[in-house]
Amino acid sequence: KAGVTQTPRYLIKTRGQQVTLSCSPISGHRSVSWYQQTPGQGLQFLFEYFSETQRNKGNFPGRFSGRQFSNSRSEMNVSTLELGDSALYLCASSGGTLSGSPLHFGNGTRLTVT
Amino acid sequence: AQSVTQLGSHVSVSEGALVLLRCNYSSSVPPYLFWYVQYPNQGLQLLLKYTSAATLVKGINGFEAEFKKSETSFHLTKPSAHMSDAAEYFCALGTGGFKTIFGAGTRLFVKA
Repeated sequence: KAGVTQTPRYLIKTRGQQVTLSCSPISGHRSVSWYQQTPGQGLQFLFEYFSETQRNKGNFPGRFSGRQFSNSRSEMNVSTLELGDSALYLCASSGGTLSGSPLHFGNGTRLTVT
Repeated sequence: AQSVTQLGSHVSVSEGALVLLRCNYSSSVPPYLFWYVQYPNQGLQLLLKYTSAATLVKGINGFEAEFKKSETSFHLTKPSAHMSDAAEYFCALGTGGFKTIFGAGTRLFVKA
């Protein structure tokens, strides 16, 4: 079974631009979560989607948004990029609907904002 | 509030020595607890999970963790460290709100 696929692996953007990151979950997984990982803040929860519905959202500004498609693939968008948005963005899928279901992570998208 | 605390941002052991990575949690409901490992330039991989079936949980690569409710702890151990164990380890708590909370991580160094 193919794992979670995130594209692109690396991105370099300029302040003020916007960016879209993509995530393809493991086949059959309907839950997709996004995390931001930085050396200072660690892993911070962005949002979680299940069957195209956002079920939970972390404490991030409205510049961060996401969506999920009917095939469970997900995208996240960051508008008006700031230097502090530089981070590793991780997507994870889960095959269960409960909190006891483990997350399966992709290798992430490394975003650098200059 | 639910939270996860990992004691020690860095742990260094010699090859062949015991590995002990500490994790304490706070949860108002019976917790779902996990340990994940992250190698450089990769995402996180599940090592093991606790879901109340047994207090001693065995995972991959020889790791195990013991759930102690009275101490609100879920420490990760491995009897004998190998060079390939060098990585960052995260303790995590599944909440009831479709969200997993991660500890700050512990970077494990293994000396030859």
